[in-house]
Amino acid sequence: DQQVKQNSPSLSVQEGRISILNCDYTNSMFDYFLWYKKYPAEGPTFLISISSIKDKNEDGRFTVFLNKSAKHLSLHIVPSQPGDSAVYFCAASLSGNTPLVFGKGTRLSVIA
Amino acid sequence: NAGVTQTPKFQVLKTGQSMTLQCAQDMNHNSMYWYRQDPGMGLRLIYYSASEGTTDKGEVPNGYNVSRLNKREFSLRLESAAPSQTSVYFCASSAGQGANGYTFGSGTRLTVV
Repeated sequence: DQQVKQNSPSLSVQEGRISILNCDYTNSMFDYFLWYKKYPAEGPTFLISISSIKDKNEDGRFTVFLNKSAKHLSLHIVPSQPGDSAVYFCAASLSGNTPLVFGKGTRLSVIA
Repeated sequence: NAGVTQTPKFQVLKTGQSMTLQCAQDMNHNSMYWYRQDPGMGLRLIYYSASEGTTDKGEVPNGYNVSRLNKREFSLRLESAAPSQTSVYFCASSAGQGANGYTFGSGTRLTVV
């Protein structure tokens, strides 16, 4: 039973446009959400996070939105750049006391 | 500043062979984790250690054992490798659990033939 779901295995976006990556979760007790970015042959790296007490967090070109009632979060990248091409993992945490649960990832390709 | 170091980077094993994947972190983190990544499956937790001296099973622990040797080091052992254990293995560490961002190593690509 997958608790964190990324239903789009891949996404292609033109350079300069907005990339929107989506993530759904089933456990309403999750209270912290993170996005990780992974390049081939490297480990995932932390990108941005959001607490359940917020509905938006922004860091430069990256914004994460949280809709708790829908159990849905999204990562917006504006403007998208070729260097953003990577696999993006959504992850969730239960009260900071349990390991992160990851989704299956979405492969983003930004086309020049 | 090395962060999380995993060795080896690549390994090929025959079915039934054993091996230990090594992981060390230099950030004085309390918690350490082992994940495996398979195509279409994302990152799945094998074992974790919330603090020195403790270890717990994750989502897919069968066929693996772990040792938290000290605060810096957390090893993953395959006693009798099986083809189903062909995967990329990532070690990670964090100051605490959950809400703290993880720092990942660069991975070990293991093939069992």
